Amino acid sequence: DAGVIQSPRHEVTEMGQEVTLRCKPISGHNSLFWYRQTMMRGLELLIYFNNNVPIDDSGMPEDRFSAKMPNASFSTLKIQPSEPRDSAVYFCASSFSYGNSPLHFGNGTRLTVT
Amino acid sequence: DQQVKQNSPSLSVQEGRISILNCDYTNSMFDYFLWYKKYPAEGPTFLISISSIKDKNEDGRFTVFLNKSAKHLSLHIVPSQPGDSAVYFCAASVGTGANNLFFGTGTRLTVIP
Repeated sequence: DAGVIQSPRHEVTEMGQEVTLRCKPISGHNSLFWYRQTMMRGLELLIYFNNNVPIDDSGMPEDRFSAKMPNASFSTLKIQPSEPRDSAVYFCASSFSYGNSPLHFGNGTRLTVT
Repeated sequence: DQQVKQNSPSLSVQEGRISILNCDYTNSMFDYFLWYKKYPAEGPTFLISISSIKDKNEDGRFTVFLNKSAKHLSLHIVPSQPGDSAVYFCAASVGTGANNLFFGTGTRLTVIP
């Protein structure tokens, strides 16, 4: 089991540029989550998908953020245009959608917007 | 507004002693609680959980205690080991679904050899 795979591990970009973060969930998991970690707010849920369908995007900060899940094995989180306050670690996680299946997190993407 | 709070950003403990990490929550509807452990440059990993029908759950060196009346839970690690040095996140939800987990800001535990 390769676990949840995120790419890139680090991203440094200039304000105004488009940023795309990628995630491959664990095979067989049917729920996928995007989180953002900051010192002030800890881990915040941005959006989650169930069976590739976005269920709750209320955590997405603003319209500059968008997420897609075109198939069961791939998801993207896009920020366009990026701003310095978007600098954070972004985690993707997956799980089964039933019972008390715990979240399995990827190793995160550290985003720095200058 | 943080519904799950970890008021201690850091904690240092001698190897072999007990580590106690604390967590408070504000939403009385929360009925499922978890602890995740995070090493640097890695994602959080699930450690232990407890349902609100219990007040204690033990797994090896790790025990989670839940005080519903105080809206407080704690994680005890006995004995602490250097490999336990990590950031610990408390999380809570209504029901066991992973889609409505609220996380705290984390406590960095350092176990001194």
